[in-house]
Amino acid sequence: AQSVTQLDSQVPVFEEAPVELRCNYSSSVSVYLFWYVQYPNQGLQLLLKYLSGSTLVESINGFEAEFNKSQTSFHLRKPSVHISDTAEYFCAVSDRPGGYQKVTFGTGTKLQVIP
Amino acid sequence: ETGVTQSPTHLIKTRGQQVTLRCSSQSGHNTVSWYQQALGQGPQFIFQYYREEENGRGNFPPRFSGLQFPNYSSELNVNALELDDSALYLCASSPGQVNEQFFGPGTRLTVL
Repeated sequence: AQSVTQLDSQVPVFEEAPVELRCNYSSSVSVYLFWYVQYPNQGLQLLLKYLSGSTLVESINGFEAEFNKSQTSFHLRKPSVHISDTAEYFCAVSDRPGGYQKVTFGTGTKLQVIP
Repeated sequence: ETGVTQSPTHLIKTRGQQVTLRCSSQSGHNTVSWYQQALGQGPQFIFQYYREEENGRGNFPPRFSGLQFPNYSSELNVNALELDDSALYLCASSPGQVNEQFFGPGTRLTVL
């Protein structure tokens, strides 16, 4: 069985400061890892994904995450946040071929960027 | 290109009633998955439909059922509604079973 733990339910951070949102997973087989973002009153949007290859993955808006197999972690980082990054972020895992089937989500971390 | 759309946006029902939620998948997508997101929780996988057949199910009772139509749109039906069924229901479509999912905005269901 697979599971995801997001250790922080809320993370307040000042604008232009760095941020790390933590995610740990458990899975008995190969894993595929995702970060999704949810803005108020909107559906989920895929932010970045790890399917195979390089353990460091990046998004187009400056976020990055590193797959660490020994620590079973996939933390999300950004060196300088903007007000527009205020949203809820979900870490997710799948152990199915291709990665997108039967995805298990964490409980989410609300990122609040303070001006 | 139209994205994933869901209807209605909001819905209020009472315990014991039945509800049908609808999802129009993105053009060219033949796979639809449904998720339940309770308040303060992450989405939980309900089931997936691929080319009109159920193709995987999460830990939800049989009163949660679905359909996928030839145009790949989908319905989620919930019978005998319970208070705990109050949640945001998300639909996601993809061009195949193993491809990236694109989420709709969700339907907010309140059960009184």
